[in-house]
Amino acid sequence: SQQGEEDPQALSIQEGENATMNCSYKTSINNLQWYRQNSGRGLVHLILIRSNEREKHSGRLRVTLDTSKKSSSLLITASRAADTASYFCATPGSSNTGKLIFGQGTTLQVKP
Amino acid sequence: EPEVTQTPSHQVTQMGQEVILRCVPISNHLYFYWYRQILGQKVEFLVSFYNNEISEKSEIFDDQFSVERPDGSNFTLKIRSTKLEDSAMYFCASGRGNTGELFFGEGSRLTVL
Repeated sequence: SQQGEEDPQALSIQEGENATMNCSYKTSINNLQWYRQNSGRGLVHLILIRSNEREKHSGRLRVTLDTSKKSSSLLITASRAADTASYFCATPGSSNTGKLIFGQGTTLQVKP
Repeated sequence: EPEVTQTPSHQVTQMGQEVILRCVPISNHLYFYWYRQILGQKVEFLVSFYNNEISEKSEIFDDQFSVERPDGSNFTLKIRSTKLEDSAMYFCASGRGNTGELFFGEGSRLTVL
């Protein structure tokens, strides 16, 4: 399976701290994506990193990709209470249909 | 900002009843998907749809499930005879191409009693 598996499963931090979530996957990929899901809502795309990229930034988000270790990390700097959500990594399926396979997710709680 | 819209937001049904969940994908997107998420669990792929046909389906997507794009804008998921274990949040998603980001709707919560 190409599933991404995140750790930790749950993370609780204080506002202003940084949050780091990790994702591991099993097979070769051409990109890896991170999504956010607020409780009871749909998934929102955060960032896509291609297999030839090692690091990518978007605002307070920093994503790394290590294809040799088949792992990625999502760092949220200077977290805010509004960052409280579940975060999922997603990898493309082996077929050419555009489907994504999601990991179990990391539930982040940022305390004000 | 274009968005994927889903209706209903919540449906309660009796076991054995048919349910149709509706989605309006983003208008210039060509790839469409249904996912489901049982409460507290991961988001699971059900089916992908391209060029008016199913391009891939998962083991979950058995004969009780079907999808349709009846009029060029709506994309529907039908569950023919619902089971208790079909209770979940169902998400529709669309994408421009077969790589890249997917845009998700807010989901339809299905409760089977």
